[in-house]
Amino acid sequence: GQNIDQPTEMTATEGAIVQINCTYQTSGFNGLFWYQQHAGEAPTFLSYNVLDGLEEKGRFSSFLSRSKGYSYLLLKELQMKDSASYLCAVRDRTGAGSYQLTFGKGTKLSVIP
Amino acid sequence: GAGVSQSPSNKVTEKGKDVELRCDPISGHTALYWYRQRLGQGLEFLIYFQGNSAPDKSGLPSDRFSAERTGESVSTLTIQRTQQEDSAVYLCASSLFADVQETQYFGPGTRLLVL
Repeated sequence: GQNIDQPTEMTATEGAIVQINCTYQTSGFNGLFWYQQHAGEAPTFLSYNVLDGLEEKGRFSSFLSRSKGYSYLLLKELQMKDSASYLCAVRDRTGAGSYQLTFGKGTKLSVIP
Repeated sequence: GAGVSQSPSNKVTEKGKDVELRCDPISGHTALYWYRQRLGQGLEFLIYFQGNSAPDKSGLPSDRFSAERTGESVSTLTIQRTQQEDSAVYLCASSLFADVQETQYFGPGTRLLVL
């Protein structure tokens, strides 16, 4: 089975740094994704981790520890446009044997001036 | 097209009616996925296609749900005898291949409301 936990809501100040945590329990881990979803819009890909460590991409970084079942998304130099939901998704094996994405409920980030 | 498109963008129907939701994936993408996003919940995997075949239908919640894909392009998700609990946003995604490292690109979704 799959269980993915992330905080429901977070608030941070423009220009600051925020870290969104995600913990997971899966039966056949094969990669972790972070997506950004603005209200009423499609999720858009941010990052992918399959090995332990930090992946940096501009203002966004994502970290993975497979042994701890833990990831975080780090957003630096926050901008108002970063206000969105951030979805943690783990690629895990389904009952039918294929690898599919299982999503957490998302963390709604509000950036305030 | 440039991205994944879905139609209709919004659908209101009465309980018991059938609905068809359409997805046009990115041209050349062989893999296509359907998800459901209920209010306050995470995205739930429903079904995926590799080409025109559906190797994994394990996420379909009941036999009222079915999907097909023709010509390695358009896919339709059909919900028969809709129930109020079917109200959700139905999202489609596509990727170049159904490979573990391939990024999925999402469409804007169809918001279904069953009265």
